[in-house]
Amino acid sequence: GAGVSQTPSNKVTEKGKYVELRCDPISGHTALYWYRQSLGQGPEFLIYFQGTGAADDSGLPNDRFFAVRPEGSVSTLKIQRTERGDSAVYLCASSPDSGNTEAFFGQGTRLTVV
Amino acid sequence: GQQLNQSPQSMFIQEGEDVSMNCTSSSIFNTWLWYKQDPGEGPVLLIALYKAGELTSNGRLTAQFGITRKDSFLNISASIPSDVGIYFCAGQDSNYQLIWGAGTKLIIKP
Repeated sequence: GAGVSQTPSNKVTEKGKYVELRCDPISGHTALYWYRQSLGQGPEFLIYFQGTGAADDSGLPNDRFFAVRPEGSVSTLKIQRTERGDSAVYLCASSPDSGNTEAFFGQGTRLTVV
Repeated sequence: GQQLNQSPQSMFIQEGEDVSMNCTSSSIFNTWLWYKQDPGEGPVLLIALYKAGELTSNGRLTAQFGITRKDSFLNISASIPSDVGIYFCAGQDSNYQLIWGAGTKLIIKP
């Protein structure tokens, strides 16, 4: 597609449930980033992929959070046993390579845990 | 950990006025970036600064990378209604991670 696509745009889930958030990066972009943005704050880094591998997952808050990118394109962010504090907008971005600062962001997935 | 202090938190200005916002850091960054985020959208890159002292313009926007590499400012001249939104600064460290400010919300009174 022309830009970074994230689905779903909104997700409401019950506390304790499992959720998956999907990101389709710009075709050909090897670097993919996941961020979390809480209300009134800037994005907070979660994990970055270079190709299929997670090059830096230091931002994942705990082991309930996991992300994959099995074929080096689409990525899925997985959250187990969701908590109310996980409610936020989850942003995905992609760039042509890891050193490229001109990453393009998707519209985000607004996750609400009730 | 690294932190960015972005100010002001919000600005109420008249259309046509100039706007100035800035970011300071306790750490040195290799790159400073300025983004704009509209409601329900992801951030969009406005200006990227790669060298200390660099001054770069993009239309009515001008940004500078401070010589200490710990600060940056963004100016918007002759503001128009579509400038409304939240502006974020971000610094890129040596691990290519972006550290973000909390944003400056720009509101323009017609």
